[in-house]
Amino acid sequence: AQKITQTQPGMFVQEKEAVTLDCTYDTSDPSYGLFWYKQPSSGEMIFLIYQGSYDQQNATEGRYSLNFQKARKSANLVISASQLGDSAMYFCAMRESTSYDKVIFGPGTSLSVIP
Amino acid sequence: GAGVSQSPSNKVTEKGKDVELRCDPISGHTALYWYRQSLGQGLEFLIYFQGNSAPDKSGLPSDRFSAERTGGSVSTLTIQRTQQEDSAVYLCASSLGFISTTQYFGPGTRLTVL
Repeated sequence: AQKITQTQPGMFVQEKEAVTLDCTYDTSDPSYGLFWYKQPSSGEMIFLIYQGSYDQQNATEGRYSLNFQKARKSANLVISASQLGDSAMYFCAMRESTSYDKVIFGPGTSLSVIP
Repeated sequence: GAGVSQSPSNKVTEKGKDVELRCDPISGHTALYWYRQSLGQGLEFLIYFQGNSAPDKSGLPSDRFSAERTGGSVSTLTIQRTQQEDSAVYLCASSLGFISTTQYFGPGTRLTVL
């Protein structure tokens, strides 16, 4: 079974608008961490934001925020005020406490920001 | 402050040849990870090192793949008798330690097997 699901293979957003990238996950581990990474066309993976399963507040980092709904097992990434430079692949990932050595990545969502 | 570096950036080889990919993690990072990303795909976990030891090698696709890390720093991923399906970008990442939240990725090595 897929541990990480990203149902949107491709997304478009108008510049300066907000966009939500979906991520759902599957785990029976009570302790886990969720990550979002950005991969521009240059290929390098860039860490964006992290949410721990016991964190009380939703994580925020600048224009990035994570809409964490634990009961639904979803961890959507919200990008506010989209910029042309936000065009990239976005990967949701999870690390379970029972296997700290592995970070499992979703298939990714391609985001295109339209001027 | 140097980030994670990988070499070579590109490698073209003939089917059946052996290749060695190198990863130099961020200084002081004890954890090191190798991933493979095939064209248009997500990341596939290969192997993880904590210090010089790799507690879980089950992610390696076949026994043609091996990895080592010496001195708790540089790691090499070796692919023997390369096959065309080995063509991919091989990404290395490092983090401060076992339960660190953030992995920092290198630029990757693009391997093409002809």
